[in-house]
Amino acid sequence: DTGVSQDPRHKITKRGQNVTFRCDPISEHNRLYWYRQTLGQGPEFLTYFQNEAQLEKSRLLSDRFSAERPKGSFSTLEIQRTEQGDSAMYLCASYSWPGRSTDTQYFGPGTRLTVL
Amino acid sequence: QKEVEQDPGPLSVPEGAIVSLNCTYSNSAFQYFMWYRQYSRKGPELLMYTYSSGNKEDGRFTAQVDKSSKYISLFIRDSQPSDSATYLCAMTADRMDSSYKLIFGSGTRLLVRP
Repeated sequence: DTGVSQDPRHKITKRGQNVTFRCDPISEHNRLYWYRQTLGQGPEFLTYFQNEAQLEKSRLLSDRFSAERPKGSFSTLEIQRTEQGDSAMYLCASYSWPGRSTDTQYFGPGTRLTVL
Repeated sequence: QKEVEQDPGPLSVPEGAIVSLNCTYSNSAFQYFMWYRQYSRKGPELLMYTYSSGNKEDGRFTAQVDKSSKYISLFIRDSQPSDSATYLCAMTADRMDSSYKLIFGSGTRLLVRP
């Protein structure tokens, strides 16, 4: 257990429905990252926050995706009007920036989304 | 062409074998290199973290970075069935870079046969 938690662990939804995932990072970490991982691929960066500010969004993050970190602690990732292509594992990672030279990102267990 | 290339495997070895896993990359700005282990349907777990070129050893694991060749390796000695997992390499540019986002390889599936 890395200390990063995600909820739910698995979500099954029908196409067109909205879904929301939650990530609780390691408490002292000021940065929080979202990645998406499809079958047989490595995780791909979606977006990241430093405290409550969303500082970068990937081109992968379409208009149907929105992420928040309102108080600089937990974060939510919402997908509106889900499509079958959204089926993937959504991973959250946290990091203490600028941190020490030995610090890096620690990942949560992920939320597996299945869109029927 | 992807920034980070990794053979997807699967790589099947007998218990006790030495395993060699590799990644190549194209972006010379990468300075920080990581290996994560991922069991099926779980999140990635950090195994090794190295900065710039050189070797780092931790128990049965050794990570090597050759920046001149843009090539990184992970060696596992005395492999065990419990090592069976997908191994992901990841890298990023200077840690003072604005994002420190990780760029991953596609992962190599390893199977250690009892």
